[in-house]
Amino acid sequence: EPEVTQTPSHQVTQMGQEVILRCVPISNHLYFYWYRQILGQKVEFLVSFYNNEISEKSEIFDDQFSVERPDGSNFTLKIRSTKLEDSAMYFCASSVGQHEKLFFGSGTQLSVL
Amino acid sequence: GESVGLHLPTLSVQEGDNSIINCAYSNSASDYFIWYKQESGKGPQFIIDIRSNMDKRQGQRVTVLLNKTVKHLSLQIAATQPGDSAVYFCAEKDTGNQFYFGTGTSLTVIP
Repeated sequence: EPEVTQTPSHQVTQMGQEVILRCVPISNHLYFYWYRQILGQKVEFLVSFYNNEISEKSEIFDDQFSVERPDGSNFTLKIRSTKLEDSAMYFCASSVGQHEKLFFGSGTQLSVL
Repeated sequence: GESVGLHLPTLSVQEGDNSIINCAYSNSASDYFIWYKQESGKGPQFIIDIRSNMDKRQGQRVTVLLNKTVKHLSLQIAATQPGDSAVYFCAEKDTGNQFYFGTGTSLTVIP
């Protein structure tokens, strides 16, 4: 069964450093998302991406965040200058259509020290 | 913003019994709902979905019920098994691009 893959599974970084989280969505999906989940809390929307541009973003997704689809398969989330409060599990997701179910990857656990 | 919440944070059931997990939502414009299962250290896994033009949908051992009048969603798991132990989230969506997730219910199946 096709699945969303994310790398790395764990990322430890120093505060102020840049990190790039990588995702390979399911190949025939057209909509891509990043969500995050702080330990013990709900899954929160960060950004949605369609047709090579951001279609919606949340308040969390400030100027320190960016997304990119550099080629036909990868979808990345960059945090330019990480803060302690960025520590969370980051999930990539994709869907066939805008109003279809999301398929999630296994996540990248980001720890900012 | 939207509010999606769960009535109970934890639920324990005996193996073989049926489980019912509830979810309340506040956005009357929401028209698509999904139940996800999340095991420790993993991403949310799709279980079943329902659109607002339906009030019931069945899958394998799972049933989702939607009551739009009171903005309530439930997940019923038949013959609960130890492998069903996980956190269950409901998620809702309106015409926008994002799903809103509830805080989750932790289901523990007692052998």
